[in-house]
Amino acid sequence: DAKTTQPPSMDCAEGRAANLPCNHSTISGNEYVYWYRQIHSQGPQYIIHGLKNNETNEMASLIITEDRKSSTLILPHATLRDTAVYYCIVRVGAFSGGYQKVTFGTGTKLQVIP
Amino acid sequence: DGGITQSPKYLFRKEGQNVTLSCEQNLNHDAMYWYRQDPGQGLRLIYYSQIVNDFQKGDIAEGYSVSREKKESFPLTVTSAQKNPTAFYLCASSISDLRDGTEAFFGQGTRLTVV
Repeated sequence: DAKTTQPPSMDCAEGRAANLPCNHSTISGNEYVYWYRQIHSQGPQYIIHGLKNNETNEMASLIITEDRKSSTLILPHATLRDTAVYYCIVRVGAFSGGYQKVTFGTGTKLQVIP
Repeated sequence: DGGITQSPKYLFRKEGQNVTLSCEQNLNHDAMYWYRQDPGQGLRLIYYSQIVNDFQKGDIAEGYSVSREKKESFPLTVTSAQKNPTAFYLCASSISDLRDGTEAFFGQGTRLTVV
């Protein structure tokens, strides 16, 4: 799996958009970008994933650069409940697959400030 | 409701004792996983199972054992051979086919403290 690089921490004012970057310069053509978040002492929660095109769901938007070497997760109107560690991971297609062991790095700790 | 359940949420054990952490899912997922998380760290894969009666070691399997006798259950045993067992343990599941873009669902974790 390609490695990812994320800033260790970010702050965002409540109500503003939170833009979380992720670099994945060695991503392969068939690898997806996934985002999860982990609120303190809970299990990670799936947010969104994408391959080439930008994606949007009820939680967030994912912007992937044309060369696919980086992406940005956007929380359009951050709330205090969005304070969490956000993980960006890249991997081939499905989460499972005997040779595809998903690992999570240290992520970005997002602090939403009132 | 469908989901993945870990129990207990907090667990205390004396050093040298084996302890088994429970993970149950009713999502009809074939694949299940165990991760360990230490303070301020990411998740590290301990074991994973693609199908019943089959499992594979992850990156840090030493001192752990698993079984997969039923599709919905994937218990993890932390043995006395694990040198630093105190950690937050997370179980996850996902569908097993290789269609693109599948996601994993995580339990709420078990915090194990060995004293």
